[in-house]
Amino acid sequence: DTAVSQTPKYLVTQMGNDKSIKCEQNLGHDTMYWYKQDSKKFLKIMFSYNNKELIINETVPNRFSPKSPDKAHLNLHINSLELGDSAVYFCASSQAEYYGYTFGSGTRLTVV
Amino acid sequence: KQEVTQIPAALSVPEGENLVLNCSFTDSAIYNLQWFRQDPGKGLTSLLLIQSSQREQTSGRLNASLDKSSGRSTLYIAASQPGDSATYLCAVINTDKLIFGTGTRLQVFP
Repeated sequence: DTAVSQTPKYLVTQMGNDKSIKCEQNLGHDTMYWYKQDSKKFLKIMFSYNNKELIINETVPNRFSPKSPDKAHLNLHINSLELGDSAVYFCASSQAEYYGYTFGSGTRLTVV
Repeated sequence: KQEVTQIPAALSVPEGENLVLNCSFTDSAIYNLQWFRQDPGKGLTSLLLIQSSQREQTSGRLNASLDKSSGRSTLYIAASQPGDSATYLCAVINTDKLIFGTGTRLQVFP
C-alpha cells in the first residue's frame, strides 16, 4: 500500500561506478520529483517530471539522468559516481501544488 | 529567489510543554506551505498542508498558521510527548516545486 516507493533503501558503491535508483508511485499523481538531502540535512530539488516530461532541472551535473517510462515511475541514473554524490535521495509526487507532496522513504547513497 | 528559514535550529524540552516552531520565507507569492516531520534515517511524513487562502490548519495536537503578508508560518505542538522527537521541516510551494527550510530538530525528554 506504499504510496511512493524507492529502491534500494541503501546503496554503497565505489567511485566511478554507475548506479540507478528506482521510484514508483501508486497515487495517480501527474508530477514526480527527485530531491537530494545533503550531509547538513538540507533538502533541495533536483528534477521534476510531469506526465513523463522534464519540467525542472536544477543545474544538476550531466552525470545525473532521470528517466520516466510512464507517469508512475521516475528513475534516477547516476554515471561516474563521485564522493560528493553521497547523500540521501528522495523521490516525491504531487497531483498539483494545491494538494501538497508525498515523499518516499529515501535512498541513502554512499560512495567510497 | 525564495529562501526559507526555520527558528530555532534545535530545541530540547521536557514532556508536556507546548511548543512553537517558526518558519519564515522571503517571497510571499506562494501556493501553499507544508509542514513535514523527519525521523532519523527515515523519510518525510506530511503533517499539515496550508493553502495560500487559508490562515491555519489543525490535526490533533498540531496547529499550523500562515501569514503570507509577513512571510511567516508557525507550527504549534500542544502537550509535547517523547514521540514528537524528530526534525520538523517547513516547505513553501512556489510554482512547481517545494522549497525547504533548514529544519528544527526537536527533542522531548520524559
